[in-house]
Amino acid sequence: NAGVTQTPKFRVLKTGQSMTLLCAQDMNHEYMYWYRQDPGMGLRLIHYSVGEGTTAKGEVPDGYNVSRLKKQNFLLGLESAAPSQTSVYFCASSYDRRGQETQYFGPGTRLLVL
Amino acid sequence: GENVEQHPSTLSVQEGDSAVIKCTYSDSASNYFPWYKQELGKGPQLIIDIRSNVGEKKDQRIAVTLNKTAKHFSLHITETQPEDSAVYFCAASKGSSYKLIFGSGTRLLVRP
Repeated sequence: NAGVTQTPKFRVLKTGQSMTLLCAQDMNHEYMYWYRQDPGMGLRLIHYSVGEGTTAKGEVPDGYNVSRLKKQNFLLGLESAAPSQTSVYFCASSYDRRGQETQYFGPGTRLLVL
Repeated sequence: GENVEQHPSTLSVQEGDSAVIKCTYSDSASNYFPWYKQELGKGPQLIIDIRSNVGEKKDQRIAVTLNKTAKHFSLHITETQPEDSAVYFCAASKGSSYKLIFGSGTRLLVRP
């Protein structure tokens, strides 16, 4: 099993450009999450999904959109990138229990917005 | 909303010594407290967790303690080894929420 994979690994954008980050998991997990990691701020939840076709806002959702059209995929979109969105983005998935089971993280996507 | 504070932000210990990382949480309804380890260039990985009906949990050299009254929990690593060097995150959640709230992280350096 590959676990949780993320593409791309690294990307540079100019302010105002758009992009989509792809997360895929092969563990048949119901729950999927997008976090951003910034120095000194830990991991902050952007959006999450409790099943195929569902999405919900996390702590810092502004400027991002998500879609979960297939159970194994969770997409994070930036419609108009801003320098404040420079960060490392992590996707995670879990089987069950409302955030109270192990979350399995991908390797991360490093995004630089100029 | 829920807030989790983590201390210290950096910790340097000699190989073989113990390391302790402390977290406090604000929401008394929180009942699940995991610890994640993040190695350089990788995503976080769960190393141990504790639920509110337990005061202490051990797994080999790692232990976690929970004080619900004081709303704080701690990670203890004994007999530290260079491979323990990483960033450690605590987190908290409650049953009514799908969310994990993470602390700001502790960078642990184990000196050979």
